[in-house]
Amino acid sequence: AQSVAQPEDQVNVAEGNPLTVKCTYSVSGNPYLFWYVQYPNRGLQFLLKYITGDNLVKGSYGFEAEFNKSQTSFHLKKPSALVSDSALYFCAVRGYGSGNTGKLIFGQGTTLQVKP
Amino acid sequence: EAGVTQSPTHLIKTRGQQVTLRCSPISGHTSVYWYQQALGLGLQFLLWYDEGEERNRGNFPPRFSGRQFPNYSSELNVNALELEDSALYLCASSLRGGQINQPQHFGDGTRLSIL
Repeated sequence: AQSVAQPEDQVNVAEGNPLTVKCTYSVSGNPYLFWYVQYPNRGLQFLLKYITGDNLVKGSYGFEAEFNKSQTSFHLKKPSALVSDSALYFCAVRGYGSGNTGKLIFGQGTTLQVKP
Repeated sequence: EAGVTQSPTHLIKTRGQQVTLRCSPISGHTSVYWYQQALGLGLQFLLWYDEGEERNRGNFPPRFSGRQFPNYSSELNVNALELEDSALYLCASSLRGGQINQPQHFGDGTRLSIL
């Protein structure tokens, strides 16, 4: 069965510093990985995805993610954090069993707090 | 391009009542997904519709049901509401066939409170 873990409930960084939000996954077969961000009282906003190819994936708003197959990780990164990046971040893997199940399996979410 | 739209934004119901939530996908998207985001339980997959057919459902009781219309909009129905149904219900859409490499794009959700 596929699963995703986000080991940190909260990450605190100072504005201008680099940030990392961690995600590890467990899948049988090729992983299809996604990062989403959720601002208060809003839905999820797609940031980036890894399907295949380069291990460094670039996404929206200056975010990028590094896929590491040997460590089964897909960490979200940004070189310089902004206060406006403060939000709840979700890592997700696309579930598939005998076929396409349609569902995204989400981690429990990590709250990012960027302080001025 | 308009995003996924959901209505209503908020709903307050009492135990035992029934509720219908609505979702309009992004233009050109034929797959619609429903998720429940309940406090302490995270994001849970409810249903997937594509081309008017239910393709998959998550581990929820049968009182959670839905449908997809010919214009690809969708409804989620919840019967016999229980207190634990209080949650944010999120709708998402993606391109035809729910292709595995395509992201799902989410609406802002319907906040359902059960009293």
